[in-house]
Amino acid sequence: DGGITQSPKYLFRKEGQNVTLSCEQNLNHDAMYWYRQDPGQGLRLIYYSQIVNDFQKGDIAEGYSVSREKKESFPLTVTSAQKNPTAFYLCASSYRGGFSEAFFGQGTRLTVV
Amino acid sequence: KNEVEQSPQNLTAQEGEFITINCSYSVGISALHWLQQHPGGGIVSLFMLSSGKKKHGRLIATINIQEKHSSLHITASHPRDSAVYICAVQNAYSGGGADGLTFGKGTHLIIQP
Repeated sequence: DGGITQSPKYLFRKEGQNVTLSCEQNLNHDAMYWYRQDPGQGLRLIYYSQIVNDFQKGDIAEGYSVSREKKESFPLTVTSAQKNPTAFYLCASSYRGGFSEAFFGQGTRLTVV
Repeated sequence: KNEVEQSPQNLTAQEGEFITINCSYSVGISALHWLQQHPGGGIVSLFMLSSGKKKHGRLIATINIQEKHSSLHITASHPRDSAVYICAVQNAYSGGGADGLTFGKGTHLIIQP
């Protein structure tokens, strides 16, 4: 079955360490997205990519980095520059174009101690 | 930028009650999603709507494009329906690219036995 896989579901890291969250899709989607959720707030866009080897900053890109070397994969690195990295992270994908359905991963809950 | 408002923010009801959660948005969209997030954070996609009404089991989602409004209904509610329900809209005017989603803050639903 086609879908999006995020791993791991829960992740713990020490403060000051970089950490990479995985997002893989086998839906042949062009566009992929990373969102962040904080308590009491809606999910906010961190980065998105509409095509391989290209990506754009979203609303809250500071302290994060991404790569899009393969169509299927869009990993997100939370760097030590991100001041408040503890959050829920959600990956999504869709075909390009405003009328395409978006599909969602299960999410990764990152806790930095 | 689309503004997405959900109501109510919190809802506690007794088992068996009919539940309605509302979502309003400010500008035209190509599609609207209803998502369910259980304690522990995993996100499940319930519906994607661009017009009319959809039904899956005890869940019904409707959308009124002219009014820029959608509702999610749960019939014969059960404690296992307790979760956060999130409305997300796909923006219609994305210049030919999929520019992501705008999320509501969610409705926290508790169904008591």
